[in-house]
Amino acid sequence: EAGVAQSPRYKIIEKRQSVAFWCNPISGHATLYWYQQILGQGPKLLIQFQNNGVVDDSQLPKDRFSAERLKGVDSTLKIQPAKLEDSAVYLCASSLDPYSQKQFFGPGTRLTVL
Amino acid sequence: DQQVKQNSPSLSVQEGRISILNCDYTNSMFDYFLWYKKYPAEGPTFLISISSIKDKNEDGRFTVFLNKSAKHLSLHIVPSQPGDSAVYFCAARSGAGSYQLTFGKGTKLSVIP
Repeated sequence: EAGVAQSPRYKIIEKRQSVAFWCNPISGHATLYWYQQILGQGPKLLIQFQNNGVVDDSQLPKDRFSAERLKGVDSTLKIQPAKLEDSAVYLCASSLDPYSQKQFFGPGTRLTVL
Repeated sequence: DQQVKQNSPSLSVQEGRISILNCDYTNSMFDYFLWYKKYPAEGPTFLISISSIKDKNEDGRFTVFLNKSAKHLSLHIVPSQPGDSAVYFCAARSGAGSYQLTFGKGTKLSVIP
């Protein structure tokens, strides 16, 4: 079974630039999550999708972050414009449904904002 | 406001001995508690979980204990192996709404051969 795929693995940009991350969840998983993990911290949920609908985006900085999962499969997370404090690893995870305890994580995208 | 706390950033244990990782929480509405393991440059992987109505769950070398009155859980690894060296995250699931996970900051376990 293929795992959660993410690209790119690494990205370096300057502040005020824009960046986009892509995630392809495990086949059949209806629920998709984007997390931000700052160095020395645990993952923090940014947004949760159920199929192509948003379940929870309460911690998403909506003035600069956006995410979509148009066809209910893969998803993109965008930051525009980026700030220095956005430097982090962005993790995508998926689960069969929102009640499932077990989430499957991708390898993450390490973003450095200079 | 940190709802899930892992107060030990790191832990070193000799191979073959027991590793005990601790986690405290503040929210009584959490219904499941989970441990995830993370190797460098990889995403976290699920290790073991426990329902809030249980006090112990065991899976091979891994056992999680839950003390609800103290709002404390611990992960025991016996015996510890060098391959267990990783960062361990404690997570708690909210029992309503989006059922989101709240993670602690992690504890880096080093198992010394």
